[in-house]
Amino acid sequence: GAGVSQSPSNKVTEKGKDVELRCDPISGHTALYWYRQRLGQGLEFLIYFQGNSAPDKSGLPSDRFSAERTGESVSTLTIQRTQQEDSAVYLCASSLWGLGGPNEKLFFGSGTQLSVL
Amino acid sequence: AQSVTQLDSQVPVFEEAPVELRCNYSSSVSVYLFWYVQYPNQGLQFLLKYLSGSTLVKSINGFEAEFNKSQTSFHLRKPSVHISDTAEYFCAVYQGGKLIFGQGTELSVKP
Repeated sequence: GAGVSQSPSNKVTEKGKDVELRCDPISGHTALYWYRQRLGQGLEFLIYFQGNSAPDKSGLPSDRFSAERTGESVSTLTIQRTQQEDSAVYLCASSLWGLGGPNEKLFFGSGTQLSVL
Repeated sequence: AQSVTQLDSQVPVFEEAPVELRCNYSSSVSVYLFWYVQYPNQGLQFLLKYLSGSTLVKSINGFEAEFNKSQTSFHLRKPSVHISDTAEYFCAVYQGGKLIFGQGTELSVKP
């Protein structure tokens, strides 16, 4: 696609429910990233997929958070038993080969605003 | 682990004034540094980056940043800002395949 697409754009859920957030990266991009942005704060790294390598899960805040990626396309971030502190904008980004090359950069989606009541 | 610190959470300036948004990084090894911008109600957009070579890097909209190894800084500057530059600006450092972002600086340009 033309850009990184995330759905839904807004999600309101009740505390304790599970939610799934979807990300469609730019076609052909091998690297995919999830970040969280709480109100008034910076971006917090969650997880990173690069091709067929094992994902870097070092930023996931708890075992309630998990993510999967199908090949080099769609990714789903799942939050189980949501808590009010999970309320944030969840951002997905992709890059062609990863960020080590001279022409590499992250392309971000518009995010999913998650509100846990 | 590498990190970046953005020293100012908010920077108010008047239109056509110069501005500097400060960013310091913590690393003793080679660094890749980035600036991203988030306009109101929009997603993050790449602004510029430093990998190696010339320490002064420029974006297409008049911003520039200078890599200073001795001061471990990568400050973003613009000689004359416009109302349309009002946005949140994020500094980031490359670490292990991903970007680690600072807390952001909110630039507010007033007429």
